[in-house]
Amino acid sequence: GQQLNQSPQSMFIQEGEDVSMNCTSSSIFNTWLWYKQDPGEGPVLLIALYKAGELTSNGRLTAQFGITRKDSFLNISASIPSDVGIYFCAGRSLGAGGTSYGKLTFGQGTILTVHP
Amino acid sequence: DAGVIQSPRHEVTEMGQEVTLRCKPISGHNSLFWYRQTMMRGLELLIYFNNNVPIDDSGMPEDRFSAKMPNASFSTLKIQPSEPRDSAVYFCASSSYRQGRGNQPQHFGDGTRLSIL
Repeated sequence: GQQLNQSPQSMFIQEGEDVSMNCTSSSIFNTWLWYKQDPGEGPVLLIALYKAGELTSNGRLTAQFGITRKDSFLNISASIPSDVGIYFCAGRSLGAGGTSYGKLTFGQGTILTVHP
Repeated sequence: DAGVIQSPRHEVTEMGQEVTLRCKPISGHNSLFWYRQTMMRGLELLIYFNNNVPIDDSGMPEDRFSAKMPNASFSTLKIQPSEPRDSAVYFCASSSYRQGRGNQPQHFGDGTRLSIL
């Protein structure tokens, strides 16, 4: 089955530093999504990418859909304490018959800790 | 706008008891997903529905798990009988899928934290 490898597993950084995390897949995806999960809450969508090579920003967050369609990265610039949480990548591919009904494959998550 | 609503937020029960988790998807969404999250296994997709019909239940761990979606605004995930290893956070997510127009991203509820003693 499809697998997503997300790295790093965890990061400890100082406030103000930039952060980069990435996901690689064993197969091609046609959509990449990045979510953030705060304690006690569900994952919240940060950025959605729909085309190979697409680079999209959302405030201090920037994500790219890799040209090979097998990878994506997320950058956070000038981190702040509220960036703390778990970041997940998720990929979606076309299933049998040309549709997957939105089924996602998730990475293992990157735990981000920001020291003030 | 109301998001995905799950209930209860927390459930503590003794092993052997029946557990029912509930989900109300975002109005207008026609795909619904049930996930389980644990430290060891991360986010696992259990089952998903499209237009109230189960599409793929290959992630359901055992026959003790069952899910229904009687209408577009309600779904349940039931565990009977429950066991301590079922302890996890269970998430429901919904999205919009239209033939020829593709999928929109999934939106998650805040989960049900289940503890089986």
